[in-house]
Amino acid sequence: GAVVSQHPSWVICKSGTSVKIECRSLDFQATTMFWYRQFPKQSLMLMATSNEGSKATYEQGVEKDKFLINHASLTLSTLTVTSAHPEDSSFYICSVRRVFGSSGANVLTFGAGSRLTVL
Amino acid sequence: DAKTTQPTSMDCAEGRAANLPCNHSTISGNEYVYWYRQIHSQGPQYIIHGLKNNETNEMASLIITEDRKSSTLILPHATLRDTAVYYCVLHGSSNTGKLIFGQGTTLQVKP
Repeated sequence: GAVVSQHPSWVICKSGTSVKIECRSLDFQATTMFWYRQFPKQSLMLMATSNEGSKATYEQGVEKDKFLINHASLTLSTLTVTSAHPEDSSFYICSVRRVFGSSGANVLTFGAGSRLTVL
Repeated sequence: DAKTTQPTSMDCAEGRAANLPCNHSTISGNEYVYWYRQIHSQGPQYIIHGLKNNETNEMASLIITEDRKSSTLILPHATLRDTAVYYCVLHGSSNTGKLIFGQGTTLQVKP
């Protein structure tokens, strides 16, 4: 299966600064990646679909100017949280989509996640 | 994609089979049933998926009822490391690949 590396694992930043999180597909060319956010004791919430070579598709209620997504290559997608505030503190997780065999089923491989704390 | 309903939490004794149910009464014909799990503070991990037939892999078995309105994930011999939140998710093969997660079932495996 695909191997997904996410960096950094932990990041602490001051309010008003920007933070970039990288998601790399190490052994699979990923045309589609997904970014999720998870608050404590809650489920994963899909933020956006990252498409290689084109603009990301954001879910309703997610500010595209605040959460900048770039998917410039088949192995790298980045999420930049701009002008971060304490309410942006969360666990951010990326995933790579892989079509399973001839069935057409979509299997996601997730990164280990990045925990952002904004002071 | 159709919605799923899972119990909030379950306990299981170590070494016993863990049977995690999922109801998906509004599932449509092209939707697969996927199971993922998330161990605390880690990214989710794919377990298994199926469409109509029962499936088995090295991690688990998936039993889907004939009407496809419910399914059960079976961990045959649960270990303490299987303690996690288990998510049952539906997704159609013709869709974009994005998965919408519900609240899942917190499985606590006890010694």
